[in-house]
Amino acid sequence: GAGVSQSPSNKVTEKGKDVELRCDPISGHTALYWYRQRLGQGLEFLIYFQGNSAPDKSGLPSDRFSAERTGESVSTLTIQRTQQEDSAVYLCASSFDRVATEAFFGQGTRLTVV
Amino acid sequence: AQSVTQLDSHVSVSEGTPVLLRCNYSSSYSPSLFWYVQHPNKGLQLLLKYTSAATLVKGINGFEAEFKKSETSFHLTKPSAHMSDAAEYFCVVSDWNSGYALNFGKGTSLLVTP
Repeated sequence: GAGVSQSPSNKVTEKGKDVELRCDPISGHTALYWYRQRLGQGLEFLIYFQGNSAPDKSGLPSDRFSAERTGESVSTLTIQRTQQEDSAVYLCASSFDRVATEAFFGQGTRLTVV
Repeated sequence: AQSVTQLDSHVSVSEGTPVLLRCNYSSSYSPSLFWYVQHPNKGLQLLLKYTSAATLVKGINGFEAEFKKSETSFHLTKPSAHMSDAAEYFCVVSDWNSGYALNFGKGTSLLVTP
C-alpha cells in the first residue's frame, strides 16, 4: 500500500497477557518511529529505528516493552504482561531518511487492557 | 537536549477570526520544526515544516508559521479560521543531537465556534 499500515486497528486484551503490534512502513523509508498516545494526551516517544543503526530505545517506559525491526521493513512492538495503564493508541510513523523529513503516520492500534 | 513547549493546551476562536497557536522550542543545534494536525478519529497529518530555508513557512489549508531564532519560537497562524480547522495541533522539533527523532509537544486543541 501507499501509506503506513498498522495492525490490528483495535486490540482488547486481558491484564497480564502479552500483545504484539505490527507496523508496515512505506517502502524505502529508513526511519521508523513508535509513539504512544493516551486518551486526551500528546504523543509519547517510545522508540526510533534508523537504518542499520542501533535503535533509540530511550522512550520505552519499562522492560515489558520491546520492539524489533528487520532491516528497513516491518516492525513489531511487543508489550509483555500488559497492565491497564498500557491502554492507549500506539502510533507508528516512517520517514524517508534521518534528516528531518516528513514523517507519515499510520492510523494506529487502539489497545485496551481489561 | 531538545524540547518543545506548546503554550496553550486549548484555544478557542470564532469562525473567520485569526488563529494563533504558540510553540517555543529549545535546541542546542540547528533544529527542524514541524506542525502536525490530528482531526478527531483521523491520523496525524503534516501541516508544514521548517528546515533552515525561508523562515516564513507556508503550509496546507492556509496555515503558516514563522521561525524566530531570537525568540526560539515557531508559532502557527492562519488569517481566518474555518470550522474544519477544529483539531489537535502538535509542534514538533528535531535535531542532530537527538538523531533526528521527532519530539512532540503536548498539543493544542483548537475549537472553532460559529
